[in-house]
Amino acid sequence: GAGVSQSPRYKVAKRGQDVALRCDPISGHVSLFWYQQALGQGPEFLTYFQNEAQLDKSGLPSDRFFAERPEGSVSTLKIQRTQQEDSAVYLCASSLETSAYTGELFFGEGSRLTVL
Amino acid sequence: GENVEQHPSTLSVQEGDSAVIKCTYSDSASNYFPWYKQELGKGPQLIIDIRSNVGEKKDQRIAVTLNKTAKHFSLHITETQPEDSAVYFCAATQPYSSASKIIFGSGTRLSIRP
Repeated sequence: GAGVSQSPRYKVAKRGQDVALRCDPISGHVSLFWYQQALGQGPEFLTYFQNEAQLDKSGLPSDRFFAERPEGSVSTLKIQRTQQEDSAVYLCASSLETSAYTGELFFGEGSRLTVL
Repeated sequence: GENVEQHPSTLSVQEGDSAVIKCTYSDSASNYFPWYKQELGKGPQLIIDIRSNVGEKKDQRIAVTLNKTAKHFSLHITETQPEDSAVYFCAATQPYSSASKIIFGSGTRLSIRP
């Protein structure tokens, strides 16, 4: 497809389970971002990749959150030992440019995580 | 770090009327201000943006204004239509490569009454 693809679209996890969320960016896009969007709120920055390099992970809320993009294309956001406060929509965005300042972000439809 | 405040949180206007959404930012170094529209179940989509070297930008029914001195920027939608109903987010970012992230406001839910 032509857009950013995320999977799964919906994930229900029991508290304490590990989850993995996948993002397929637009082909050729250099930059990849992960955002967390709580219900009724704006997206909050989690982490940023330029190709395979994770240049900014200042938004990851705890060491339970881990992201990777080993080949500079597909990215995975992993959350270990999920907690109820992790319930949110996780948005992935990609950009052709090397920074959010110079290039439009194209968002996927998100992965909605519900932790019971 | 940057903080973006947005208001109102909800806005209802009659079809054909204008809608205005206002935002303020805290970091005077911010110099790029995009606006995103998010429809139900979708990811945000860029609708217009403005850089700090201009005070106003217009694209058909949508316009954005920027006051760098006051650190305010606003979205104006004229002749509103039902398809304008969505959540709108303002955002700000800075040009540093190590801070390559967009900081979003909390959103405005716009409803267009027929």
